[in-house]
Amino acid sequence: ETGVTQSPTHLIKTRGQQVTLRCSSQSGHNTVSWYQQALGQGPQFIFQYYREEENGRGNFPPRFSGLQFPNYSSELNVNALELDDSALYLCASSLFLVDTREQYFGPGTRLTVT
Amino acid sequence: GENVEQHPSTLSVQEGDSAVIKCTYSDSASNYFPWYKQELGKGPQLIIDIRSNVGEKKDQRIAVTLNKTAKHFSLHITETQPEDSAVYFCAAIGAVQGAQKLVFGQGTRLTINP
Repeated sequence: ETGVTQSPTHLIKTRGQQVTLRCSSQSGHNTVSWYQQALGQGPQFIFQYYREEENGRGNFPPRFSGLQFPNYSSELNVNALELDDSALYLCASSLFLVDTREQYFGPGTRLTVT
Repeated sequence: GENVEQHPSTLSVQEGDSAVIKCTYSDSASNYFPWYKQELGKGPQLIIDIRSNVGEKKDQRIAVTLNKTAKHFSLHITETQPEDSAVYFCAAIGAVQGAQKLVFGQGTRLTINP
């Protein structure tokens, strides 16, 4: 069984730039969720993708967007980067069924905005 | 929306002793409560979970209890070992437009002293 993988591991960007983060879901999973974890805090839900469509969104502005591909992998795109976007970005994969809830996280991408 | 409070924020115990971390949630509709362990530089790892139709669940040295009436749940680690040192997060599933959104507590930094 292949776990959740994310790339890149670390990234440094300048304010105003754009960034794309990538996630490959665990084998057998069809849903990907993205979370932002600021230093010393719990992860905050950004959005979830199921069947290549956004299935729900947290309190994040439209400059945070995403995609899910037919193989269930996903991208998180952030435009017009701000200093406060510096955080660990986590991807979690799950199997979206009526009676399943478990979400498994990847190692994260550490984004630093200067 | 759902709100999860976690305490204590830091916990230090002697190796071999027990550790207890407590969380409260606000949304009575939440029905799934996972616990994650996050080591430095890694993503959160699911260690145990409990559903709202169960009051207690145990897995070796780890147990979780749930009191639906009081809306609180707790993680119990017995016979602690140095490798248990990490940040622990509780979470609850809150629905966002149908998405399975995890709402996290603020985390507890657990240190096991040899």
